[in-house]
Amino acid sequence: GAGVSQSPSNKVTEKGKDVELRCDPISGHTALYWYRQRLGQGLEFLIYFQGNSAPDKSGLPSDRFSAERTGESVSTLTIQRTQQEDSAVYLCASSPQLAGGEQYFGPGTRLTVT
Amino acid sequence: AQSVSQHNHHVILSEAASLELGCNYSYGGTVNLFWYVQYPGQHLQLLLKYFSGDPLVKGIKGFEAEFIKSKFSFNLRKPSVQWSDTAEYFCAVTGNYGQNFVFGPGTRLSVLP
Repeated sequence: GAGVSQSPSNKVTEKGKDVELRCDPISGHTALYWYRQRLGQGLEFLIYFQGNSAPDKSGLPSDRFSAERTGESVSTLTIQRTQQEDSAVYLCASSPQLAGGEQYFGPGTRLTVT
Repeated sequence: AQSVSQHNHHVILSEAASLELGCNYSYGGTVNLFWYVQYPGQHLQLLLKYFSGDPLVKGIKGFEAEFIKSKFSFNLRKPSVQWSDTAEYFCAVTGNYGQNFVFGPGTRLSVLP
């Protein structure tokens, strides 16, 4: 079946602009995660949606970052007033389990802020 | 706060050498443990996972990992590496309700043909 998809695959934006990144999880997966991976670094947890519960937003680095998910479908990560330090690959993952199950990753969106 | 450390930033091995990548975590409760791999230009993929039971878990491509609770460790091993194992390897831990999913910084493995 189809895996996790993300769009766009690449995004170049000017500093100060807003960007919206999209994640389509695997159908039926209840949990969805967003991560940021800066060049040469590990994954930085951003936000976790778990079924219909309130999301865990503890990893969002600032109030310029927000994410939404409707039910168990698409999620969007929005970065307002982008800064150069926001340049990174943004990864989305979904999981079939609410309780700490394995995650299936998308290909990521490479964001470059000029 | 939860954290995951990986002992080596970059490991270089010749083909057929044995591999052990260290992973230690700090977490106060019951954990689920994972190793993920990212081959050049590809998505992150699950190598293996530990939820409960036998602390020695086997994954894909001949990899295995051992959970040692007393040492808070989950080291990855492979008896004989291949050139195709060249990749970035990430250890990850989560609480058993999916909370606090934390990845280690990754270890880059380069296998020389």
